[in-house]
Amino acid sequence: GAVVSQHPSWVICKSGTSVKIECRSLDFQATTMFWYRQFPKQSLMLMATSNEGSKATYEQGVEKDKFLINHASLTLSTLTVTSAHPEDSSFYICSALNSPLHFGNGTRLTVT
Amino acid sequence: KQEVTQIPAALSVPEGENLVLNCSFTDSAIYNLQWFRQDPGKGLTSLLLIQSSQREQTSGRLNASLDKSSGRSTLYIAASQPGDSATYLCAVYREDDYKLSFGAGTTVTVRA
Repeated sequence: GAVVSQHPSWVICKSGTSVKIECRSLDFQATTMFWYRQFPKQSLMLMATSNEGSKATYEQGVEKDKFLINHASLTLSTLTVTSAHPEDSSFYICSALNSPLHFGNGTRLTVT
Repeated sequence: KQEVTQIPAALSVPEGENLVLNCSFTDSAIYNLQWFRQDPGKGLTSLLLIQSSQREQTSGRLNASLDKSSGRSTLYIAASQPGDSATYLCAVYREDDYKLSFGAGTTVTVRA
């Protein structure tokens, strides 16, 4: 079946630094990928839609300059959390469109 | 804006009991509805996808129903096992763009 690989699975960084998370579709091409964020005991919230070869579209309330998304190839989308702060600590999950959607295993980000 | 609610938030049952998990959504103009399983600190595993023209889907011990007019879906798990312990998420597709609105989930514990 279709596989989506997300890396790293967990990361700890210091406040003020930037962190990059990768989302790869391993056996299919995905022109569209989605990034979600999940706070403890809460729903997954859609952050942005990543489109290969064009700018990402962000959901209302998500800072595009803080959460940089790049979808440079048909199999890779990256999310960079810039100048991370403790409130950015969360679980980030990507999904790739290959009807139905396929999800990565998520990245646990802890900002100290 | 689509709001997805899952009741109960948590459920603990003895092994062998049947499980009934409820999901409600505010906007009945949905495209598809999908049930996922999430283990602690892990990504999402798709369980069942119900297309808007369908009323239910079945896979093994799992059965999910969909009533768009009332804005409800129910996931039934027959003869529960300790391995069924996880958080179950309901997600609604917004129109036909594959963007998902998630409920906060029902955390299930099956006691041996």
